[in-house]
Amino acid sequence: DADVTQTPRNRITKTGKRIMLECSQTKGHDRMYWYRQDPGLGLRLIYYSFDVKDINKGEISDGYSVSRQAQAKFSLSLESAIPNQTALYFCATRGLAGVDEQFFGPGTRLTVL
Amino acid sequence: SQQGEEDPQALSIQEGENATMNCSYKTSINNLQWYRQNSGRGLVHLILIRSNEREKHSGRLRVTLDTSKKSSSLLITASRAADTASYFCATDATSARQLTFGSGTQLTVLP
Repeated sequence: DADVTQTPRNRITKTGKRIMLECSQTKGHDRMYWYRQDPGLGLRLIYYSFDVKDINKGEISDGYSVSRQAQAKFSLSLESAIPNQTALYFCATRGLAGVDEQFFGPGTRLTVL
Repeated sequence: SQQGEEDPQALSIQEGENATMNCSYKTSINNLQWYRQNSGRGLVHLILIRSNEREKHSGRLRVTLDTSKKSSSLLITASRAADTASYFCATDATSARQLTFGSGTQLTVLP
């Protein structure tokens, strides 16, 4: 089984709808991240969390919110989806300081019509 | 703004040739990492080089780091069609709590 899983893998929704993307990990990592990827723009950080009580905004948090329900679960919500939130969304985890690489989920392709 | 910027944005080579990608960054770092992404999939970690290292090898990968020029390069030797992917550098800045990714180099290896 994959260490970092994301659901759903694909989602088509309409403008104004509330959407939740979920991420679960079995690596036991404390640090979790949400990124979005747009063609030609690389990855941009939306939110990150170092534990269930430590949640931080990233570069592009407007229009998004997150919930860290447990060490293993980190959800991203779009309260009222808009078309320019159409993108590929990735969840990632990272271990404690000194364990430096990030592990990515397979991604969620979100289309907002 | 992005800490790491890759160059070139796209690279097309023949199988068997070497591929070189470059990454420039702006601030002091703890380490620099390279990731690979196959089309539409999650990124996979390739190699990490720490700020006190100048060169590192892993299989057909060779990474160099020049902290005085704030730049790194990734060399893939004897490329294969399966190496076709996007390659991203990510910097672990001393002043930041998270990695910052560049916009990537799209590598195409022609059979």
